[in-house]
Amino acid sequence: DIQMTQSPSSLSASIGDRVSFTCQASQDIGNYLSWYQKKPGKAPKLLIFDASNLKTGVPSNFRGSGSGTDFTFTISSLQPEDIATYYCQQYSHLPTFGGGTKVEIK
Amino acid sequence: EVQLVESGGGLVQPGRSLRLSCTASGFTFGDYAMSWVRQAPGKGLEWVGFIRSKTYGGTTEYAASVKGRFTISRDDSESIAYLQMDSLKTEDTAVYYCTRDLSVWELSFDYWGQGTLVTVSS
Repeated sequence: DIQMTQSPSSLSASIGDRVSFTCQASQDIGNYLSWYQKKPGKAPKLLIFDASNLKTGVPSNFRGSGSGTDFTFTISSLQPEDIATYYCQQYSHLPTFGGGTKVEIK
Repeated sequence: EVQLVESGGGLVQPGRSLRLSCTASGFTFGDYAMSWVRQAPGKGLEWVGFIRSKTYGGTTEYAASVKGRFTISRDDSESIAYLQMDSLKTEDTAVYYCTRDLSVWELSFDYWGQGTLVTVSS
């Protein structure tokens, strides 16, 4: 199985801050990576697929980058509604998820 | 509008079976691969398995943690995907989500149901 490691596991930032966190794959996955937003009690939402493609309807405030083994997710200006846990997921092989990055307000 | 609605969750004893259903609407169900993903209490997301569309044989793949115990099937005439869970263990306790896959080649999950809770306990 391909292991996905997200860091940090949690972070605290102020409204309006630029926030970034990373996801590392245990082997080359090309650009077969998605990012999801998960709020408590709600279903996850796909935000980005193929490492950098924004799903239709997702705010352009969110951005994904990277390829191979190292990927980054960026929120350009943190909003209250962005408070959630974010998961990366690879689909180069059978899918695996990272452990999540929990984003909180400072 | 794409909608996925899971049902069938509940409390079940270890070693017993349970079948979950996922009823789809708003898209041509038969054209898509479908997956199941779960989240145990306080834990992260875990892919459980998927079923390809009939165009690609309707075959299945599973995570190692459930292989041999869980079976995914589909009824394209009713737009329903199923997750048959046998020999359940306490560690199978989780919210189970049905998802639509981006494509049969790209297991990125573009739509999710609201989830159904399965509790395995004596």
